[in-house]
Amino acid sequence: SAVISQKPSRDICQRGTSLTIQCQVDSQVTMMFWYRQQPGQSLTLIATANQGSEATYESGFVIDKFPISRPNLTFSTLTVSNMSPEDSSIYLCSAPGGPRADTQYFGPGTRLTVL
Amino acid sequence: AQSVTQPDIHITVSEGASLELRCNYSYGATPYLFWYVQSPGQGLQLLLKYFSGDTLVQGIKGFEAEFKRSQSSFNLRKPSVHWSDAAEYFCAVGSGSLNNDMRFGAGTRLTVKP
Repeated sequence: SAVISQKPSRDICQRGTSLTIQCQVDSQVTMMFWYRQQPGQSLTLIATANQGSEATYESGFVIDKFPISRPNLTFSTLTVSNMSPEDSSIYLCSAPGGPRADTQYFGPGTRLTVL
Repeated sequence: AQSVTQPDIHITVSEGASLELRCNYSYGATPYLFWYVQSPGQGLQLLLKYFSGDTLVQGIKGFEAEFKRSQSSFNLRKPSVHWSDAAEYFCAVGSGSLNNDMRFGAGTRLTVKP
């Protein structure tokens, strides 16, 4: 399995500011994924982050709002820009693991509250 | 398009009682099926997965799940629930490819009564 860490674990931010979330995987992976979990909801995929290319965003998510970096095969960042209270969520990163990289493993999440 | 339905939003069971959480999926090809657990304030932990072979799969923490193709179901079971099992449980379906097409159910929140 992949071991994934995230920083920060939680933050409280003011409206209009930005927060960058870091995700570190203990092994090299081709793809990393960012999810949003709104309060009381399931997980929604924000984007897929490939090393060396632009991230691929899901419908409803745009690069200006959620810029992603993927500088190497073990690390990615997600920035939540120009935040509003509606951005209050848990943000999780994941990466594939297992013998055929066919299972998603998740980080502990970043709990974001926007005032 | 693939989708996952977890019909039960919230389930309450007594400690020591048996548990079954329902999951139905819609998928055009052979599905890869997963159950994850999320404890309060935590990320998602993989409980078990089914790709092929024996349709009854064993997972961690004493959980098991059975794949029933005819019913498009992948229900999670545990014979005797412990208070520490109180959490949110998510069923997910995907193709198992490197492209992440995994879809999650809405989740079932489990409360365990003493």
